[in-house]
Amino acid sequence: SAVISQKPSRDICQRGTSLTIQCQVDSQVTMMFWYRQQPGQSLTLIATANQGSEATYESGFVIDKFPISRPNLTFSTLTVSNMSPEDSSIYLCSVEGKGGSSYNEQFFGPGTRLTVL
Amino acid sequence: DAKTTQPTSMDCAEGRAANLPCNHSTISGNEYVYWYRQIHSQGPQYIIHGLKNNETNEMASLIITEDRKSSTLILPHATLRDTAVYYCIVRVGYRDDKIIFGKGTRLHILP
Repeated sequence: SAVISQKPSRDICQRGTSLTIQCQVDSQVTMMFWYRQQPGQSLTLIATANQGSEATYESGFVIDKFPISRPNLTFSTLTVSNMSPEDSSIYLCSVEGKGGSSYNEQFFGPGTRLTVL
Repeated sequence: DAKTTQPTSMDCAEGRAANLPCNHSTISGNEYVYWYRQIHSQGPQYIIHGLKNNETNEMASLIITEDRKSSTLILPHATLRDTAVYYCIVRVGYRDDKIIFGKGTRLHILP
């Protein structure tokens, strides 16, 4: 299994500012994933972050708006840039890990609840 | 796009079995069926997965049809704490791969 922590757990930010969200895992993992969950909606994948290479962004998400760092195998950051109220969401980090002896599962962090005024 | 179709919401009486259906008619031979759930204000949690055989663990049972085009997650004795959104996902389970979430089923356990 993998234990994931995120900082901050929640924040209220002003329009036009940026917020960096941190994700820390208790074990080394190859891939880390960032999701967004808008109010009342399902999770939407923003990007996949590999250590040592640029993140791979899903359709509709761009690096200028959501820059991602992956400096090592246990840590990643997601920045929400030039925020607007439409960015108000829960942002979740997840990693792939061994759920049992023979299969993979994804483990999710507790999320960062962002409100943009 | 998500490869699965689920009912938007369901109700179940506390203590009864909750049966959550999922259609995945375009599933490939090497794709597994995974179920996750998200309790309010928490990150999603793994429940169970299977390829073609029925599976059971301490949380739930998974019944997959012989043609693998649909499956049912069974919570045998639902409690109020099982109220959550349940996501049925198909993916290749043996390697790092992104998960694409559909809309899921919002399960309400009624006292």
